[in-house]
Amino acid sequence: GAVVSQHPSWVICKSGTSVKIECRSLDFQATTMFWYRQFPKQSLMLMATSNEGSKATYEQGVEKDKFLINHASLTLSTLTVTSAHPEDSSFYICSARDAARGGGPYEQYFGPGTRLTVT
Amino acid sequence: QKEVEQDPGPLSVPEGAIVSLNCTYSNSAFQYFMWYRQYSRKGPELLMYTYSSGNKEDGRFTAQVDKSSKYISLFIRDSQPSDSATYLCAMSRETSGSRLTFGEGTQLTVNP
Repeated sequence: GAVVSQHPSWVICKSGTSVKIECRSLDFQATTMFWYRQFPKQSLMLMATSNEGSKATYEQGVEKDKFLINHASLTLSTLTVTSAHPEDSSFYICSARDAARGGGPYEQYFGPGTRLTVT
Repeated sequence: QKEVEQDPGPLSVPEGAIVSLNCTYSNSAFQYFMWYRQYSRKGPELLMYTYSSGNKEDGRFTAQVDKSSKYISLFIRDSQPSDSATYLCAMSRETSGSRLTFGEGTQLTVNP
């Protein structure tokens, strides 16, 4: 149980275009989803937290108009990188949590990640 | 100053060795301490978690938390080539809504 998928696993786009990444919880309801960015040989940096049906909460320094997050259902959250530039190239990882189950922050499950390359 | 510091390695050990991985932190409000394993180009996978101070053992893995020193460790006994991965520590406050703060990760290679 507790499987999270991401799609696509790898995407290449041209500078100035937008790209959408999907994060799905396959066998549980994800009341909260987190989006992280990871540069090569660096740690995961939290970008934003989204709760189903609410606006996302962005971390300091993350441009909310550039990284659009939608969490419209209990099993799907999307991250749209708008007007992508080469410096946005990174590994984007989501995690999902069912807050109704209780437990601690360890009760969140990570997706396999999406590699974005902007040319 | 980063809230969580972790030696990035790389760390290379022979098969069967005991591996010690460590993190230090500065935020005394952290109460949950997690260790994740991440294979190349994959999402992190939870190995162990500890609440507050103390030790926890699970098979070949032992996690230790020393809150007085703001220092956590993960020990891997009888290391195997399949343990080769990046190990990330992560921490969370009681009231942070499950937001995790990660260390930089230590890249481990276990040589057969």
